[in-house]
Amino acid sequence: DQQVKQNSPSLSVQEGRISILNCDYTNSMFDYFLWYKKYPAEGPTFLISISSIKDKNEDGRFTVFLNKSAKHLSLHIVPSQPGDSAVYFCAPIDVSARQLTFGSGTQLTVLP
Amino acid sequence: EADIYQTPRYLVIGTGKKITLECSQTMGHDKMYWYQQDPGMELHLIHYSYGVNSTEKGDLSSESTVSRIRTEHFPLTLESARPSHTSQYLCASSDSDREFHYGYTFGSGTRLTVV
Repeated sequence: DQQVKQNSPSLSVQEGRISILNCDYTNSMFDYFLWYKKYPAEGPTFLISISSIKDKNEDGRFTVFLNKSAKHLSLHIVPSQPGDSAVYFCAPIDVSARQLTFGSGTQLTVLP
Repeated sequence: EADIYQTPRYLVIGTGKKITLECSQTMGHDKMYWYQQDPGMELHLIHYSYGVNSTEKGDLSSESTVSRIRTEHFPLTLESARPSHTSQYLCASSDSDREFHYGYTFGSGTRLTVV
């Protein structure tokens, strides 16, 4: 029973263009949504979060959009840089359980 | 600059050996977690602790055990390693008051190979 789905295992984008990573969820109890970036042989690092009372949060080149009615969120990276090449995980928090649930991740490759 | 440390980074060990994966954090976080991740797969929670002397099993069944005798230390032990334990083990911690906005802080992980 996958509560968090990242349906694109991989995405390739040209340097300077926009990267859009998508995440769908089924659990209505998710109240906060986080994105993590992970390089090989390293632990995930926190990127950006959004509360369910918002529909957009921006931090530099990274913007997360939340569509609660569709149970969908997306991470936009503009402009994409080769250093952004990594696996990106969507990780919602169930406020009652107070635990992160991770999606399977999307491997982003930014081509120079 | 890492505030959560895992050792060793890589470990190759024979079947049947007892191993302990170390995890320490210097941030004073009350909560700590162990995740297991196979290549290309989700992170699965195997153990967590909400404070000293408190430990719980996570969603993924694991033959490992953990202890939390000190706030900063959360070691994971496998009494008898098997090839099926080969995986990456990630330790994380969080501050109850900030975790909704900043999530968990992860260590660099231990890549375990059991031969």
